[in-house]
Amino acid sequence: ETGVTQSPTHLIKTRGQQVTLRCSSQSGHNTVSWYQQALGQGPQFIFQYYREEENGRGNFPPRFSGLQFPNYSSELNVNALELDDSALYLCASSFGGTGGETQYFGPGTRLLVL
Amino acid sequence: DQQVKQNSPSLSVQEGRISILNCDYTNSMFDYFLWYKKYPAEGPTFLISISSIKDKNEDGRFTVFLNKSAKHLSLHIVPSQPGDSAVYFCAAGLQGAQKLVFGQGTRLTINP
Repeated sequence: ETGVTQSPTHLIKTRGQQVTLRCSSQSGHNTVSWYQQALGQGPQFIFQYYREEENGRGNFPPRFSGLQFPNYSSELNVNALELDDSALYLCASSFGGTGGETQYFGPGTRLLVL
Repeated sequence: DQQVKQNSPSLSVQEGRISILNCDYTNSMFDYFLWYKKYPAEGPTFLISISSIKDKNEDGRFTVFLNKSAKHLSLHIVPSQPGDSAVYFCAAGLQGAQKLVFGQGTRLTINP
């Protein structure tokens, strides 16, 4: 069984640029959720994708967007990067998309915005 | 609005003793709760969960207790081992809602 994988592991961007982060879900899972973890804080929910559609969104602006592909892998796109976007970005996969299921996390992508 | 709180940023416990990590929540609608462990440079690893219809769930050395009237849950690790040293997050969720709400984490250090 393959776990959740994310790429890249680290990324440095400058303010105003755009970034794309990638996530492959655990085999058998059809749902991907994205979280942002700032230093010293717990993960904060960005959004979830279920069967290629956005299935719930947290308190993040529209410049955070995503995609899910037919193989259930997912992308997180952030436009017009700001310094405060520097964080660890985690994706989690699960099965169901209805809430109440356990989410399994990947290792994360650490983004630094200068 | 911090709906899930872990008020102890750090905890130090002797190897072999019991570790107790605490978590409080404010939203009485939460109906399931999870604990995750996180090592540096890794993602959170699922440890154990509990549904709001239960007050205790046990898995090996890990036991989670839920006190709904106090809106409080705790994770007991016994006996504590050096490999348990990590940051522990509690998280809460709602059936029908997609997101998990996390606490800020507690750094557990197990001393030999």
